[in-house]
Amino acid sequence: GEDVEQSLFLSVREGDSSVINCTYTDSSSTYLYWYKQEPGAGLQLLTYIFSNMDMKQDQRLTVLLNKKDKHLSLRIADTQTGDSAIYFCAESYNQGGKLIFGQGTELSVKP
Amino acid sequence: DVKVTQSSRYLVKRTGEKVFLECVQDMDHENMFWYRQDPGLGLRLIYFSYDVKMKEKGDIPEGYSVSREKKERFSLILESASTNQTSMYLCASSAPGGRNEQYFGPGTRLTVT
Repeated sequence: GEDVEQSLFLSVREGDSSVINCTYTDSSSTYLYWYKQEPGAGLQLLTYIFSNMDMKQDQRLTVLLNKKDKHLSLRIADTQTGDSAIYFCAESYNQGGKLIFGQGTELSVKP
Repeated sequence: DVKVTQSSRYLVKRTGEKVFLECVQDMDHENMFWYRQDPGLGLRLIYFSYDVKMKEKGDIPEGYSVSREKKERFSLILESASTNQTSMYLCASSAPGGRNEQYFGPGTRLTVT
């Protein structure tokens, strides 16, 4: 079935760039998403990319989509301690409204 | 500001108890979802609903049921709580079509002892 895979942990130093990777299986996904979950909170949409795009930039965030390899990445430039959170990759599923989420990558930013 | 609220942030129940988790959204969204979140497993869909009185099973519906009597409210019911249902429960809602962006509540951490 449809699946989204992420590595579980990433540790970076403050000021460095972070790159969180994700692979997915459903090539018919219309949108792919990155959600952020801060400690003790629900998920918040960080950014999304339409499937006919290769790249999307939004301030410190850059999303890259490689449809051939079904690979999505999120780059956070100049990572700050406030970026410490769990980041979830998700793809839209063909039945309207359903999303398939990855396991989440816990980003730890060290001062 | 869009809002999804959940009735409790923390809940402790005993094995065998009936548990109700309530979710309310104020965005007039048709779609509502219940997930559970466990470390290393991400979010797993329990049930979802596309409209009032409609419900669809997700990936892990066993041991759960849902109720949607009003558009803004989606309830998750654990008929007889078990220790393996100790988890974080997240509710979400979305509007049909468009980006399918889901808006999440803050979550309920349920502990079953």
